[in-house]
Amino acid sequence: QLQLQESGPGLVKPSETLSLTCTVSGGSISSSGYYWGWVRQPPGKGLEWFGSIHYRGNTYNNPSLKSRVTVSVDTSKNQFSLKLSSVTAADTAVYYCARGAVRNDAFDIWGQGTMVTVSS
Amino acid sequence: QSVLTQPPSVSAAPGQKVTISCSGSTSNIGNNFVSWYQQLPGTAPKLLIYENNKRPSGIPDRFSGSKSGTSATLGITGLQTGDEADYYCGTWDSSLSAGVFGGGTKLTVL
Repeated sequence: QLQLQESGPGLVKPSETLSLTCTVSGGSISSSGYYWGWVRQPPGKGLEWFGSIHYRGNTYNNPSLKSRVTVSVDTSKNQFSLKLSSVTAADTAVYYCARGAVRNDAFDIWGQGTMVTVSS
Repeated sequence: QSVLTQPPSVSAAPGQKVTISCSGSTSNIGNNFVSWYQQLPGTAPKLLIYENNKRPSGIPDRFSGSKSGTSATLGITGLQTGDEADYYCGTWDSSLSAGVFGGGTKLTVL
């Protein structure tokens, strides 16, 4: 059974870069029918679609985050990653990685989420 | 401000039925599939409905989805206290070239 697990620092200083990795286990990240995405949820707030990547390299990012977001994939490690630059307190959130279906854009498998706090 | 509009909260008694609406536009709901997610307190979201009205394996038929034009609806019948959760609609927005979610609806089973 495919599982996703986020990893990365729980505390990042303002103006620095937040880096998270999602490890895919129980299946291959190199599946043409799926892409890999990031969703975040600030404390007490709703879900925010963050960015996605297909193993072939096609990426899409939330336009509200402009050029701060980079999503990448490492097929050799069965991992995909997120980098968010110039973070502020507003980037404090639970970050989820998830598998999305190319056919219908539904996220059918989610990681447990990792809390990232931006604070000095 | 979310691209998709959901009511902040709904409530109903155990055993009753509730519907949750999700309103969008032609660039998102109107021309793309809608999904619905359930988020129990302190847990990751869980896919309830995909492709507007299909249920993943293991999701009971008490949960249903529909879409008409630029709006979608999640229905839950035979409400149980365990259904208390936040519910989100989601879809792709072709103008933004990005996924979008509704603001979420908190379901209270009185």
